[in-house]
Amino acid sequence: IQMAQSPSTLSASVGDRVTITCRASQSISSWLAWYQQKPGKAPKLLIYKASTLQSGVPSRFSGSGSGTEFTLTINSLQPDDFAAYYCQQYHIYPDTFGQGTKLEIK
Amino acid sequence: QVQLVESGGGVVQPGRSLRLTCAASGFTFSTYDIHWVRQAPGRGLEWVAAISSDGKNVHYADSVKGRFTLSRDNSKNTLYLQMNSLRKEDTAVYYCAKDYYALDTWGQGTLLTVSS
Repeated sequence: IQMAQSPSTLSASVGDRVTITCRASQSISSWLAWYQQKPGKAPKLLIYKASTLQSGVPSRFSGSGSGTEFTLTINSLQPDDFAAYYCQQYHIYPDTFGQGTKLEIK
Repeated sequence: QVQLVESGGGVVQPGRSLRLTCAASGFTFSTYDIHWVRQAPGRGLEWVAAISSDGKNVHYADSVKGRFTLSRDNSKNTLYLQMNSLRKEDTAVYYCAKDYYALDTWGQGTLLTVSS
């Protein structure tokens, strides 16, 4: 299953609302996760099963979608949110990741 | 606390072999599937392999199938990734990650460089 993530780069300001999209090449039901990664660090799980917020993740992060279309939304961007974001499908092996979105400060 | 620690990375020549290790602590290792994910320098995440909690089911990415072997020793809380016939394109940071509603805990990664 291929995951098409967009945009590859996103420029935004503190306080903005941003949306990142992932499209699966076939239906994956809700078996989608979102990760945040900062330079030199391991990825961090933000959302699993498309819309369930991982414990400890701020509520400004939200996920939606099912089937083939998914979105990650970040409300009121904070300075700590500028990082790379990846989607991952885990419906069928091999798991696959999207190409990533780099969220930059405008 | 829940922790995964990778080791075994280094510099190796193309065609040679290397074994990575992932040591787990702070949770009941034998009840979780574990994955390996890698990241080439400046690139995105690439899923590599996964093993079921009992070690009976293993899945691989096409890019490593036939060259990498994933195994685990639940008595030692340890995962092993045996990598043979290494290629330059295997150069990456390798992470192990615990599977609980997606990959909820990751190690810090170990760097493998394949170079002559």
